[in-house]
Amino acid sequence: EAGVTQFPSHSVIEKGQTVTLRCDPISGHDNLYWYRRVMGKEIKFLLHFVKESKQDESGMPNNRFLAERTGGTYSTLKVQPAELEDSGVYFCASSQDRVLQETQYFGPGTRLLVL
Amino acid sequence: AQSVTQPDIHITVSEGASLELRCNYSYGATPYLFWYVQSPGQGLQLLLKYFSGDTLVQGIKGFEAEFKRSQSSFNLRKPSVHWSDAAEYFCAVGLMDTGRRALTFGSGTRLQVQP
Repeated sequence: EAGVTQFPSHSVIEKGQTVTLRCDPISGHDNLYWYRRVMGKEIKFLLHFVKESKQDESGMPNNRFLAERTGGTYSTLKVQPAELEDSGVYFCASSQDRVLQETQYFGPGTRLLVL
Repeated sequence: AQSVTQPDIHITVSEGASLELRCNYSYGATPYLFWYVQSPGQGLQLLLKYFSGDTLVQGIKGFEAEFKRSQSSFNLRKPSVHWSDAAEYFCAVGLMDTGRRALTFGSGTRLQVQP
């Protein structure tokens, strides 16, 4: 069974540009999460999808970040326009069951550097 | 708000030595507790989790963790470290009584293993 995949693995962009990150969850997982780790800090929750609906977007930092999950399969996270402080590693995770005792399976992350 | 503290940013141990990584959490109720590991170039892999029941939890790769309610701790242990255990380790909590699925992570402990 394939795990959570993320694309690209690395992205280097200039301040003011737009970047779109993609996450493919484990097949059949309704729950999809985005997290990010800013350099040297802890991993922080961004948002949670259940199928195509945003269940919790309390961690989204500002309106420069837009997450979508059309069709309830893969998800994209767009940063527009990117700022220097957006640099970090963006992780995606997915889980299967609609119960609290689920395990979130993480992807390898996308390392974003904004210059 | 809940928080997770991993007081050791970096730990170095000799191969074959025992290991204990500390994790303390701040939360009013009993949380779900997790330990994840990230090896270079890899995603976050779940080592073990605690939801309820026996407070000593066994995980993969020979790791175990003990939940101590009185100390608000969930320390990770391994009796004999292997060179392949060199990685970054993250403690995380999920909240049982809110219905939210966001995990709160500590800042991580990087483990170096000396031959």
